[in-house]
Amino acid sequence: GESVGLHLPTLSVQEGDNSIINCAYSNSASDYFIWYKQESGKGPQFIIDIRSNMDKRQGQRVTVLLNKTVKHLSLQIAATQPGDSAVYFCVTRRRSGGSNYKLTFGKGTLLTVNP
Amino acid sequence: GAGVSQSPRYKVAKRGQDVALRCDPISGHVSLFWYQQALGQGPEFLTYFQNEAQLDKSGLPSDRFFAERPEGSVSTLKIQRTQQEDSAVYLCASSLGRNTEAFFGQGTRLTVV
Repeated sequence: GESVGLHLPTLSVQEGDNSIINCAYSNSASDYFIWYKQESGKGPQFIIDIRSNMDKRQGQRVTVLLNKTVKHLSLQIAATQPGDSAVYFCVTRRRSGGSNYKLTFGKGTLLTVNP
Repeated sequence: GAGVSQSPRYKVAKRGQDVALRCDPISGHVSLFWYQQALGQGPEFLTYFQNEAQLDKSGLPSDRFFAERPEGSVSTLKIQRTQQEDSAVYLCASSLGRNTEAFFGQGTRLTVV
């Protein structure tokens, strides 16, 4: 079946430290791997994505690493800030017939940034 | 507004009651998705529209769930004869076709008592 799992359900870091959130996925047919952030009471918000033929992509303070050999995805956040506190979802995207692209969310990692 | 708007924000329904949840996507977004998010879980796919066409409804948990998008913009998710297990946050998202960046609304929290 299709599943997206996370190694740790919670992560607590000090403000200014770097954070690493890990994810294991099972569906090799995914064409994109994506990280979403969800703050309490809000809908998920896109952070960064990486195409399946890449192994690293950098954004502003965030880096996503993809290791297809072991089916592992990680999100690195540099100089973590209190505003980064949220649940982070590892999401896979694959074509689901025609022009439909289905996003599959993992269970999420709760990141808490301590001041 | 500029974002995806969902209403109502909260809904309490008695078991057996029918409910209708509304989603106003971002103007011009072709793709519209509905997700169900149980407490402490990630969103689970329910259904997908491309314009007015419902291309995928494989995630709808039962025939009590019905979604429509008759004019290719506003969408409604209807749940008939609600059950306690339907209690969840229902999220709507829209995107520009094949983009990976889907814009989510704040969701409707449905509580069935």
